[in-house]
Amino acid sequence: GQQVMQIPQYQHVQEGEDFTTYCNSSTTLSNIQWYKQRPGGHPVFLIQLVKSGEVKKQKRLTFQFGEAKKNSSLHITATQTTDVGTYFCVGKTSYDKVIFGPGTSLSVIP
Amino acid sequence: DTGVSQNPRHKITKRGQNVTFRCDPISEHNRLYWYRQTLGQGPEFLTYFQNEAQLEKSRLLSDRFSAERPKGSFSTLEIQRTEQGDSAMYLCASSLDGYGTGSPNEQFFGPGTRLTVL
Repeated sequence: GQQVMQIPQYQHVQEGEDFTTYCNSSTTLSNIQWYKQRPGGHPVFLIQLVKSGEVKKQKRLTFQFGEAKKNSSLHITATQTTDVGTYFCVGKTSYDKVIFGPGTSLSVIP
Repeated sequence: DTGVSQNPRHKITKRGQNVTFRCDPISEHNRLYWYRQTLGQGPEFLTYFQNEAQLEKSRLLSDRFSAERPKGSFSTLEIQRTEQGDSAMYLCASSLDGYGTGSPNEQFFGPGTRLTVL
């Protein structure tokens, strides 16, 4: 079946270090979204990528969509304690199917 | 508050009982999704509606689960003959999809209903 995988599952970083999570789909995606879920909270939308090779930036966050539209990455520069949470990529297939990745849980040590 | 709301927030039930959850989406949103999330896992897709039409239902969903969105506004998710394995957070999300809206199709999530089956 169609799957979306993410690595790593967990990441512990010192405050100020960079962080990257990678997302891979078993099938070509029409778009990919990223969400952040704080502990005890619900997922909150961060961004959507649609075009092959697209790169978008939000302050310290950089999102990329692969050329083949099957992988994506989220990079955070100089992490802060407010970045703590689980980051999910969500793939949308050409059949309008929505698939959440398992998430990468980020811990930031002050 | 014009966000997505879910009721109840917590539900404790005994195995074998039926439970029903309600989701009120953002009013102009045409799509409504139901997900199930267990601790340490990502949300697992259950079903979604485009207006009042249920367009997809996960094959992982047993016949004990049913969802409705009768007037294309609020939705209900019913679980019959609950089992301990049904214990999870049930999340609802809504979005404004399609029709050239130019929107990013982002999903707005509600706070969830935490179900505990004893």
